[in-house]
Amino acid sequence: DAKTTQPNSMESNEEEPVHLPCNHSTISGTDYIHWYRQLPSQGPEYVIHGLTSNVNNRMASLAIAEDRKSSTLILHRATLRDAAVYYCILSKGGGGSNYKLTFGKGTLLTVNP
Amino acid sequence: NAGVTQTPKFQVLKTGQSMTLQCAQDMNHNSMYWYRQDPGMGLRLIYYSASEGTTDKGEVPNGYNVSRLNKREFSLRLESAAPSQTSVYFCASRFGQGVPQPQHFGDGTRLSIL
Repeated sequence: DAKTTQPNSMESNEEEPVHLPCNHSTISGTDYIHWYRQLPSQGPEYVIHGLTSNVNNRMASLAIAEDRKSSTLILHRATLRDAAVYYCILSKGGGGSNYKLTFGKGTLLTVNP
Repeated sequence: NAGVTQTPKFQVLKTGQSMTLQCAQDMNHNSMYWYRQDPGMGLRLIYYSASEGTTDKGEVPNGYNVSRLNKREFSLRLESAAPSQTSVYFCASRFGQGVPQPQHFGDGTRLSIL
C-alpha cells in the first residue's frame, strides 16, 4: 500500500491560515487522498477527500499537486477547536475490501491564542 | 441521530477474562470497522465487515473475534484478555458503495487489562 509522510507537529496562531503538508510519492492512479482529524479523547472525524482536483468544503480545502505526489490541507482561519492530530491517508476507491484506511501517526496541530 | 454508539465507554479487566465490545450505527451503513489505538500511535484496523454477513481480518486480528449481528451492529470479542490488548477501541461505519464515503467513528471504549 502507498504510504504518506507528514510532519510530526506544527504550530499556528488563532485566526491565521494553516497549511498541513502530506507527501505520498508512491500514490497510484486509483488512490484517493483522505484527511481525518482527531480531537483529544475523541474518535477521528472526517475532514475532506479528493482524487485529482482541489476540493473545498465547509471545514477545509484540499490542494493536490499536479503529479499527485503531495497534497496540502488548508484551514483558512484556525480556531482553538482545530487543535488536533491530522491524518493524511490514501485509500482505494469503491466499496468492499478495497476501501480501508491505514492511519499513521499524523501531524499534531497546536493552535496558539 | 446518534451516529455510531459504542458500549461500554470504559472497562477494566483481569488477564484471562473475556469481554465483548458493542457497536451500533443508525445511519443505514453497509460497512463497519473495529480499530485499536495505542498511546501516541495512529489507529490500526483489527477487523472489518464490508457488508452484512461478511467479516475480514485487518492489520492486527490476533486475539480478537467479531460478529456482524445485523446491519446495525458489529461486536468485538476478546476471548482471553491480555495486558497487550490494553488500548482504546474505536468502531466506525460507512455507507460503503461507489465513490468513497467517509468513515464515521464512535467515541471509543477505553479498555485496561491488568
